[in-house]
Order: sequence, then structure tokens, then C-alpha cells
Amino acid sequence: NAGVTQTPKFQVLKTGQSMTLQCAQDMNHEYMSWYRQDPGMGLRLIHYSVGAGITDQGEVPNGYNVSRSTTEDFPLRLLSAAPSQTSVYFCASRSGQGGNQPQHFGDGTRLSIL
Amino acid sequence: GQQLNQSPQSMFIQEGEDVSMNCTSSSIFNTWLWYKQDPGEGPVLLIALYKAGELTSNGRLTAQFGITRKDSFLNISASIPSDVGIYFCAGQGDNFNKFYFGSGTKLNVKP
Repeated sequence: NAGVTQTPKFQVLKTGQSMTLQCAQDMNHEYMSWYRQDPGMGLRLIHYSVGAGITDQGEVPNGYNVSRSTTEDFPLRLLSAAPSQTSVYFCASRSGQGGNQPQHFGDGTRLSIL
Repeated sequence: GQQLNQSPQSMFIQEGEDVSMNCTSSSIFNTWLWYKQDPGEGPVLLIALYKAGELTSNGRLTAQFGITRKDSFLNISASIPSDVGIYFCAGQGDNFNKFYFGSGTKLNVKP
């Protein structure tokens, strides 16, 4: 009963390094999304995908790339990490049937950029 | 993006007390959700609301979708120590692919 699995759980990067945060779900959900959570703020949507091969931008997409080659996986890429990207990143998924289905979240990746 | 104002930011209560928190939006939402987040974990869904005026319960938790569609509240009755955590509201407008989150209410319960 894995649900949404995120790896790694923690990561420290230097400014300018690249990194891929992994997200996998085993619920055959069509919709997947990435959020960042900063202190004192709610989760903000970075990118989302409504199915394999389809991605779109959320509220705060700059500095991040995504792709969706399979239903199960939705990786988030930082091409050149910046200190402003220090945050906790959450991946979520939901069934695509019924546009208002609630999302299921992973346990997060805590990322620090030095 | 859409703004969600969640209040209060934090609460310190005694075990057994009732708790109320609310969320207001600058625009109309079609869905309101309430999540709880424990330290080191992702948010977990508590209650989902889909119709204006809807009142839904989940054990000691009750939430309502405001009739203006711009607000929602969550009540917790007879709080217990395991209620400690951060509670988030989230809303979904006409674009079903985008969810917007409030900044959270941090709940502390003294035994």
C-alpha cells in the first residue's frame, strides 16, 4: 500500500547544481502535481500533469522542469539550483475521474541549497 | 494566484476543548478541502466539501462550505493530544487542475 513515494527524503545542494526529485504513485492516478512548502506559507503549485505526455505550469513554475513519460512517475528537475529554492517539496496524485477528486500527498523532500 | 486567508495562525488549547478555524478566499471556489499535516509528513485529507452550504462530519471533525462559496470552516470537538498538527484549507476553482492552499493553523493541545 505504497501510495505516493518521494525520493530522496533529504538533500543538500550547492548553488548551480542540478537535481531531480523523484515521485512515483501506484494508484494508477492520471493527475500528478508538485508543490513547494515554505515556512508560514501554504503549499504552492509548481507544475502538474493530467496524464502521460501532458504537463502544465502552476503558480510558481520558474526554475523547475517536469516531464511525464509514464502514468506512475512524475520527476521534478532543478537545472541550476538557487538558494531561493530551499524548501520542502511535496508530490501529490489523484484520480482523473471527476475533476474535484482530492489529492493524496507523499511525505516530502526537504531540499537545502547552500 | 488566488489568495486564501486562514485564521487563526496558531492556537493553544486545553484537552477537551472545542476548536474552530476558518478560511476565506478572494474568489469563488467549487471545492473546499481540509487537510492535517503532522511533522515530517505530507498533508492528509480530513474532509472534502463539494456544494455551497454543505456540512460534513468525520468523527469529531465538522466542516462547512460557505454559502457565498468564498469561505469554509473546520470545527474539532473535544480535542485530544493527537489533534496536534497543522491544519490546511485548500480550494479549487473553475480550473479543476489547480488547488490553492491556506497558510495553515498550527494547533497545540495541552493534556
